[in-house]
Amino acid sequence: AQSVTQLGSHVSVSEGALVLLRCNYSSSVPPYLFWYVQYPNQGLQLLLKYTSAATLVKGINGFEAEFKKSETSFHLTKPSAHMSDAAEYFCAVMNFGGFKTIFGAGTRLFVKA
Amino acid sequence: DTGVSQDPRHKITKRGQNVTFRCDPISEHNRLYWYRQTLGQGPEFLTYFQNEAQLEKSRLLSDRFSAERPKGSFSTLEIQRTEQGDSAMYLCASSLGDGSDEQFFGPGTRLTVL
Repeated sequence: AQSVTQLGSHVSVSEGALVLLRCNYSSSVPPYLFWYVQYPNQGLQLLLKYTSAATLVKGINGFEAEFKKSETSFHLTKPSAHMSDAAEYFCAVMNFGGFKTIFGAGTRLFVKA
Repeated sequence: DTGVSQDPRHKITKRGQNVTFRCDPISEHNRLYWYRQTLGQGPEFLTYFQNEAQLEKSRLLSDRFSAERPKGSFSTLEIQRTEQGDSAMYLCASSLGDGSDEQFFGPGTRLTVL
C-alpha cells in the first residue's frame, strides 16, 4: 500500500530564509510524486511533479524538489521564502500508470517578516 | 473561467437530510475525481471516473454516498441521510488522463451537518 508522511504539520521561517518541507513516501512500484499548494479558500494547485525523468524537479514560484529513491524522500525546497509563500503544502504519491493519489496530511508554512 | 468549478461552495444541512454537490471539470478532461478533506488532513480519495465509467470507489464511500457522471462531463456526488461525521470539504479534480496525470482541483464544497 502506498503512503505519504510529511514531517512537521507547521513550519515557520523568516522572509528570505530557506524553505524545507519534508516528505517521505512508501510505494511498492515506481511512483509519481507531487507537491501541491493550497491557499486559504482556494483549490489545490500543482507546484511540481516527479515522473521518473530527472530526479531534481523544478516547479513554479521558485520551488524545487529532489527525488531520492534510497531515502524514499521527496523534500520541497525554496532558497528564499517570500511572504506570499505562506500556505498549506501537500505531498502526494500516485502509482506509475495509475490514478489513485494518496496525499500527506499537509504542512502549513508560516513566513515571518 | 476554464478551471474546475463546484457548486455550491457551502452547504449547511440538518442530520438525516440528503445533499447533492455538482462538479464541472475542465471540458477536455476525461478523468474526474472526488476527494474529501477534513480539518488538518490532506484530501482523501473517494472515487474516480474515466469518462462516464466509475472505475474505483474508496472504502470511505459508504452506501449512503453515490456519484455519477452521466455524460462524461459534469459529475454529481450525493450523500443520503447525512451524519455529523460527513462534515468536511468535498473536492473535485479533473485530469486529461495521460500518463503523468496532473489533477486540477476545484475550490471545493464545504458541508456542515448540524
